[in-house]
Amino acid sequence: DVKVTQSSRYLVKRTGEKVFLECVQDMDHENMFWYRQDPGLGLRLIYFSYDVKMKEKGDIPEGYSVSREKKERFSLILESASTNQTSMYLCASSLGGTGANVLTFGAGSRLTVL
Amino acid sequence: AQSVSQHNHHVILSEAASLELGCNYSYGGTVNLFWYVQYPGQHLQLLLKYFSGDPLVKGIKGFEAEFIKSKFSFNLRKPSVQWSDTAEYFCAVNANSGGYQKVTFGTGTKLQVIP
Repeated sequence: DVKVTQSSRYLVKRTGEKVFLECVQDMDHENMFWYRQDPGLGLRLIYFSYDVKMKEKGDIPEGYSVSREKKERFSLILESASTNQTSMYLCASSLGGTGANVLTFGAGSRLTVL
Repeated sequence: AQSVSQHNHHVILSEAASLELGCNYSYGGTVNLFWYVQYPGQHLQLLLKYFSGDPLVKGIKGFEAEFIKSKFSFNLRKPSVQWSDTAEYFCAVNANSGGYQKVTFGTGTKLQVIP
């Protein structure tokens, strides 16, 4: 089975801190995604990557950046955390190309910014 | 830009009732469509998907969905729900744009099945 592992399940940070969320997948998937999940808003795409060192903005990239130095690892960075970034963050991966490729999700990282 | 609308935010049904969850998307080109489900405390997982061919697709646990291109819809159905179907359901669209895959989700529908 494809496994997507998010390094932290729960984090509590203070406003202004730099936050790193790590995601690793073990099935050689080309595509990786970061979403945030908020009640009533569903999943909103922050950034995605279709290859090493490649990244594309999703629908809500403001306040975030990403890094993909290795194929299996996709990091989400909050340069200066704010309270409105308190959320559940979901990482996902899928095979490359433009087909109907299924996303495999990690367990999520719940971030609270105080 | 693509978008997905789910009309029902919270649905409460008794066991054995029939289910239909609405999903409409907005995108002019070729799309692939999905329903994902998140059971309490679990990861999001695929319920079913449509990419071509028969517009009526069947998924796990007795779920099915029908793609109606003229209505930009992909509604989810199940003839008889069970308590174990209590979960949040997300419709998603993958629009092939720029040679890569961008998947957009709807806002989700919480289904509560009462025994």
